[in-house]
Amino acid sequence: GENVEQHPSTLSVQEGDSAVIKCTYSDSASNYFPWYKQELGKGPQLIIDIRSNVGEKKDQRIAVTLNKTAKHFSLHITETQPEDSAVYFCAASSAGTGGYNKLIFGAGTRLAVHP
Amino acid sequence: DTGVSQNPRHKITKRGQNVTFRCDPISEHNRLYWYRQTLGQGPEFLTYFQNEAQLEKSRLLSDRFSAERPKGSFSTLEIQRTEQGDSAMYLCASSFETTNEKLFFGSGTQLSVL
Repeated sequence: GENVEQHPSTLSVQEGDSAVIKCTYSDSASNYFPWYKQELGKGPQLIIDIRSNVGEKKDQRIAVTLNKTAKHFSLHITETQPEDSAVYFCAASSAGTGGYNKLIFGAGTRLAVHP
Repeated sequence: DTGVSQNPRHKITKRGQNVTFRCDPISEHNRLYWYRQTLGQGPEFLTYFQNEAQLEKSRLLSDRFSAERPKGSFSTLEIQRTEQGDSAMYLCASSFETTNEKLFFGSGTQLSVL
């Protein structure tokens, strides 16, 4: 069945360092790959997404890369700040009845940025 | 636009009781999704509505779970005869049907079954 694996499960970095989170997906038909940030007691917040016709996308300190051949995609955060500390989830779409985006999520990465 | 709203934020109930959660999507969004999230895991898809039609419900966890979206606006998720294993965060998300569809989540309802 559809599956998304996410690594690492925890990541600790010093403020100003870069952080990289990697995901692999199983459904070769997946064509949409969003990343969400979840803070304690809140719902997931969309921070960046990429579609299968693009290999890389950047938004300020955040970038996402996609390798469709290898079914890998990654989140890169540069110049990390303490407020980046949260749980990050990757997801891959799987087509559902009616063409909607059924997102399959990874298990999450808990990022801690230390001052 | 105040985002996706979910009520209540927290619900504590005794095993065997019925509970109902409400989701108000972003006003112009015609698609609505329910997900469940257990501790340390990513959200797990449950069901999906396009306007008032429930087009996917095979992932609802058992026949004790049901969802409605009667007028294509707000939605409710009901769990009958709750069990301790139902304890989780129930998340609602909404989106607008376009080629650049993006899902926006609410803050969820945290259910604790005692």
